[in-house]
This record gives sequence, structure tokens and C-alpha cells, in this order.
Amino acid sequence: QKEVEQDPGPLSVPEGAIVSLNCTYSNSAFQYFMWYRQYSRKGPELLMYTYSSGNKEDGRFTAQVDKSSKYISLFIRDSQPSDSATYLCAMKAPGGYQKVTFGTGTKLQVIP
Amino acid sequence: GAVVSQHPSWVICKSGTSVKIECRSLDFQATTMFWYRQFPKQSLMLMATSNEGSKATYEQGVEKDKFLINHASLTLSTLTVTSAHPEDSSFYICSAASGGEPQHFGDGTRLSIL
Repeated sequence: QKEVEQDPGPLSVPEGAIVSLNCTYSNSAFQYFMWYRQYSRKGPELLMYTYSSGNKEDGRFTAQVDKSSKYISLFIRDSQPSDSATYLCAMKAPGGYQKVTFGTGTKLQVIP
Repeated sequence: GAVVSQHPSWVICKSGTSVKIECRSLDFQATTMFWYRQFPKQSLMLMATSNEGSKATYEQGVEKDKFLINHASLTLSTLTVTSAHPEDSSFYICSAASGGEPQHFGDGTRLSIL
């Protein structure tokens, strides 16, 4: 079993829809959770960064962490064609040099 | 936000050539830099972690004599692919982090070996 599981998609939604992206994990030591967006042939861009459980909102993006279920989510409201990209979840345990574990990424397509 | 610059963005060269890729943190001091390799439709594969002024730590299965990493300053790390062969063709991405903060990525280098 992989440490981090993420549905690769692709996920196609109409413009304006609410998108839900999810990851599950098995390592209970993970405390820091991140979401990255990666456009084709570009490096990943940090979208959200959260510590421990709870919600964090930034514009149209909301990140949720449920440590009891080992489940994290990224919600995108009012999705736009420009949101079409691959979304990678990432997580790490405490400690400055702890390695980050990435999900395989979910490819999202927002159709105009 | 934090900016990481990676150069070149694309390189094509003949088999047997050595290729150097640069990674710079432009607006922060990176105590740690990471080098990844990404195959099409796959996630990031960590190759090595480097801390400024010390030797890089390579992941299992990554040849350190093949992939030379230098982290000479808090803003610059280089990856040299020595005697590159077609199987080394890939998308190489660097990232940089300060302390325990999240990593910020460069835009990657597409390496094609003929």
C-alpha cells in the first residue's frame, strides 16, 4: 500500500462547478499537508499549506484535513478553465528536513 | 511568493555529453534544495536532497556518480548529469525550502538525449 493515495482522474467538470479533490494517507506521523497545482510542462506551484487538522480558505480554494480519518481534501469553488491542471497532494512529518511524500496527482479539466 | 528559477528549461544533446542544470532561489535563502525526476503522467520522484555546504543525500537507486549535485550557496544548487544517455531523458525539477517551510519548485528542465 502506498503511503499516499490519490485518484489520478482525469476529472472533467463544467465551468462554475465545485471541484473536490482528495487524498488518503497511512502514516499517522504526517502533520503538514500541502496542495500543489502543476500545469503541463511546468513545475508544481504551492496552493495551500496547512498544519494538523482543520480547514483553511484562500479565495476560491479550501483545504480540509481530517487526521482521524487520514483524509485530506481540496475544494475549488466557481471553477474556471484556467484551473485545468494536475493537482498534487503532499504531506510530511515534523522536523525541518523530513522528506515530503507526494500523491500521484489528479488531472482536472474544467470545460467552458 | 517565493520564487525558484531553473535553467535551462529545455536541452537537447548527444549521448555521452554532460549536462548541467541550475536552480536558484531568487528571493529567499534555501537551506535545503531537492532534485526530482518526473516521468510522463507520473508523480515526482525524489532523487536527492542537498543542504548548503554539505554533501547531497541520494535516494536509493540513484547513482551519485551519475547525478552530481552541488549546493555551493544558500541560493544556488546545480545538478550535473554526467555522460548522459537516452534513458536519462526526462523532466528534472528542483525545489527549495527554508527551514521547515514548504518547498517551492522551479519550472523544470526537459532533457532529451539523442
